[in-house]
Amino acid sequence: AQSVTQLDSQVPVFEEAPVELRCNYSSSVSVYLFWYVQYPNQGLQLLLKYLSGSTLVKGINGFEAEFNKSQTSFHLRKPSVHISDTAEYFCAVSEYSGGSNYKLTFGKGTLLTVNP
Amino acid sequence: GAGVSQTPSNKVTEKGKYVELRCDPISGHTALYWYRQSLGQGPEFLIYFQGTGAADDSGLPNDRFFAVRPEGSVSTLKIQRTERGDSAVYLCASSLFGSTKEAFFGQGTRLTVV
Repeated sequence: AQSVTQLDSQVPVFEEAPVELRCNYSSSVSVYLFWYVQYPNQGLQLLLKYLSGSTLVKGINGFEAEFNKSQTSFHLRKPSVHISDTAEYFCAVSEYSGGSNYKLTFGKGTLLTVNP
Repeated sequence: GAGVSQTPSNKVTEKGKYVELRCDPISGHTALYWYRQSLGQGPEFLIYFQGTGAADDSGLPNDRFFAVRPEGSVSTLKIQRTERGDSAVYLCASSLFGSTKEAFFGQGTRLTVV
């Protein structure tokens, strides 16, 4: 069975500083990888996804992530954060089954707090 | 509507009561998922529908939980004999059957069992 580990439950940073949110996964088969963001009192919004091809993927709001198969990691990065990036970030994986069921397994989330 | 709609947004019920949570997916999305998010945790998969049928219900915690999607659009998650441990945010997501593999989430129903 697949699993996702988000290594940091909370990450405080100052505005305009770079940030990296770490994610490692475990799976016996090929996976698709996702990062979702959840702003207070809102639903989950897709930031970016890795399906295949280039291991560096770019998403919305200036975020990017790099898939590292050998290290089974998919860390999220942003070179300069804004106050508005304060939110909970979830890493998720979906196993490639050849069917149509792309159910997601989520990590426990990382709360990113950007301070002025 | 433009997005996934879930009603009610909040539901408070007494222990032992029956509740229904509704999800209205994006028009044309054939895949529908239910997840449960407990406090301080990531969402956990409950059930997956492709069209009208439940193709994967492996995440339902026990037989008090049941979900239907009779016409392949709106889905209802039903919980019988609610327990305090059922308190959580219940999320619904829908997606197109295709290559994007992107699931669009509703804002969730916060269920509180007192």
